[in-house]
Amino acid sequence: EAGVAQSPRYKIIEKRQSVAFWCNPISGHATLYWYQQILGQGPKLLIQFQNNGVVDDSQLPKDRFSAERLKGVDSTLKIQPAKLEDSAVYLCASSLMRGRRTEAFFGQGTRLTVV
Amino acid sequence: DQQVKQNSPSLSVQEGRISILNCDYTNSMFDYFLWYKKYPAEGPTFLISISSIKDKNEDGRFTVFLNKSAKHLSLHIVPSQPGDSAVYFCAASAEGNEKLTFGTGTRLTIIP
Repeated sequence: EAGVAQSPRYKIIEKRQSVAFWCNPISGHATLYWYQQILGQGPKLLIQFQNNGVVDDSQLPKDRFSAERLKGVDSTLKIQPAKLEDSAVYLCASSLMRGRRTEAFFGQGTRLTVV
Repeated sequence: DQQVKQNSPSLSVQEGRISILNCDYTNSMFDYFLWYKKYPAEGPTFLISISSIKDKNEDGRFTVFLNKSAKHLSLHIVPSQPGDSAVYFCAASAEGNEKLTFGTGTRLTIIP
């Protein structure tokens, strides 16, 4: 079974530039998450999708961050414009279905450095 | 507000001995708890979970204990092996909400 795929693995941008990350979840997984992990902290949920609908985006900084999940499969997370404090690892995860207490599977993450 | 706390940033254990990682939570709505293991430059990997209706769950060398009254859980690894060296995250979720709230992690180092 293929895992969660993310790209790129690494990205360095200057502040005020824009950046986009891509995620392909495990086939058949209806729920998709984007987490932000700042160095020395645990992952923090940014947004959760159920198929292509948003379930929770309460911690997404909507003035600069946006995310979409087309056709309930792949997802992109965009930051525009980036700030220095956005430097972090962005993790995508997926799980089988809503309402079932099961684990989320994570991709390798995209390490973003904003300079 | 840190709802899931891992108060030990690091832990060193001799190979073959028992490793005990601790986690505390404050949100009484949490009813499902998970441990994830993370190697450098990789995403977190699921290790073991426990529902609040249980107080213990075992999977091979890994056992998770849950003390609901104390809002405390622990992960026991026995015997510890060099490949267990990683960062371990405790995570929790509440009924009706799959969002995982993570602790800050404990870096476990197994000394050969």
